[in-house]
Amino acid sequence: DIQMTQSPSSLSASVGDRVTITCQASQEISNSLNWYQQKPGKAPKVLIYGTSNLETGVPSRFSGSGSGTDFTFTISSLQPEDIATYYCQQYDDLPITFGPGTKVDLK
Amino acid sequence: QVTLKESGPVLVKPTETLTLTCTVSGFSLSNPTMGVSWIRQPPGKALEWLAHIFSNDEKSYSTSLKRRLTISKDTSKSQVVLTMTNMDPVDTGTYYCVRIRQNWFDPWGQGTLVTVTS
Repeated sequence: DIQMTQSPSSLSASVGDRVTITCQASQEISNSLNWYQQKPGKAPKVLIYGTSNLETGVPSRFSGSGSGTDFTFTISSLQPEDIATYYCQQYDDLPITFGPGTKVDLK
Repeated sequence: QVTLKESGPVLVKPTETLTLTCTVSGFSLSNPTMGVSWIRQPPGKALEWLAHIFSNDEKSYSTSLKRRLTISKDTSKSQVVLTMTNMDPVDTGTYYCVRIRQNWFDPWGQGTLVTVTS
């Protein structure tokens, strides 16, 4: 199985800050990576698919980049409604695997 | 509008078999470009993919759980069923039914919390 790691596991930031989360795969996964946002008590929601493609309706302050084994998710200017846990997920090979999540809260 | 709704028992006893049903609307399970997955999340923990099924009946399972899982579909009823045998308290969590849209999960069902307790 492909193992996914994320860092940091949690972070605190202020409104307007730039937030960066990294995701690393245990083997090359090309650009087969998605990012999800999960707010407390809610189901996850896809934000970025195929490493860097913004899902329809998702604000442009969210972005993704990377390839191979190392990927980055960025919120360019943190907003209060972005408080959530963020998960990366690879689909290059079965079984599909998720990262452990990064919890983002307000400082 | 595409929706998925999970149904099944809230409480399960250890060693019992869990059967969860996902009823979909807004798309057909015979659509060759789409499939359905089950994903679970223990309280306060990360997401774990369990299984998927596609229109051609292609199935795949979590490596660690495949001996306990069976996924099936009834296209005429727009339902996908997941069974998990020999339930244990560590299987407690929210179970989500999710559409596979190309290579990502969207949308997700609301989830159903299953508690394993004697």
